[in-house]
Amino acid sequence: NAGVTQTPKFQVLKTGQSMTLQCAQDMNHEYMSWYRQDPGMGLRLIHYSVGAGITDQGEVPNGYNVSRSTTEDFPLRLLSAAPSQTSVYFCASRIKGGLNTEAFFGQGTRLTVV
Amino acid sequence: AQSVAQPEDQVNVAEGNPLTVKCTYSVSGNPYLFWYVQYPNRGLQFLLKYITGDNLVKGSYGFEAEFNKSQTSFHLKKPSALVSDSALYFCAVRDGLGGSYIPTFGRGTSLIVHP
Repeated sequence: NAGVTQTPKFQVLKTGQSMTLQCAQDMNHEYMSWYRQDPGMGLRLIHYSVGAGITDQGEVPNGYNVSRSTTEDFPLRLLSAAPSQTSVYFCASRIKGGLNTEAFFGQGTRLTVV
Repeated sequence: AQSVAQPEDQVNVAEGNPLTVKCTYSVSGNPYLFWYVQYPNRGLQFLLKYITGDNLVKGSYGFEAEFNKSQTSFHLKKPSALVSDSALYFCAVRDGLGGSYIPTFGRGTSLIVHP
């Protein structure tokens, strides 16, 4: 099993550019979420989805969009990149049928905005 | 509302000594608690969880955690630390009463095990 796959692993953007961070899982998990990890801040939730066609905002949603057209994919879009969005981004998924199941994380995307 | 705190940014321990990484939480209902580990340049990996039952939970790599309801704590422990345990550790909580679908993570504690 590939688990949760994130692409790209590294990306450098110029201020104002847009891009999409890809996340795919092959475990048929209903719940998917995006986090950003910054030094001293831990993991902060950006957006999440409880199933195809359903998304909701997390703690720090501004500047990001998501969609969930399939169970497998949950892309994160940066609309107009800003230096404050320099971070490491993690995608995670969890199985449905129990809100207390553990999450599976991707390897992360390290994004630098210059 | 659900929240979690990891009061130590860093924990240093000598190899072979016991280790403890602290976590406290705040919820309105029953807590559902998790520990994850992150090795350098990797994603988080699940270690263990407390849902109900025994207060002492055993997990991967010889780690265990003790749930203490009166102290609202869920400290991670290991009897004998290894250098390879050096990593970033995250505690997470979900409130069983009206809580979010998604657990809240702590800020993380860097564990350094010295040879």
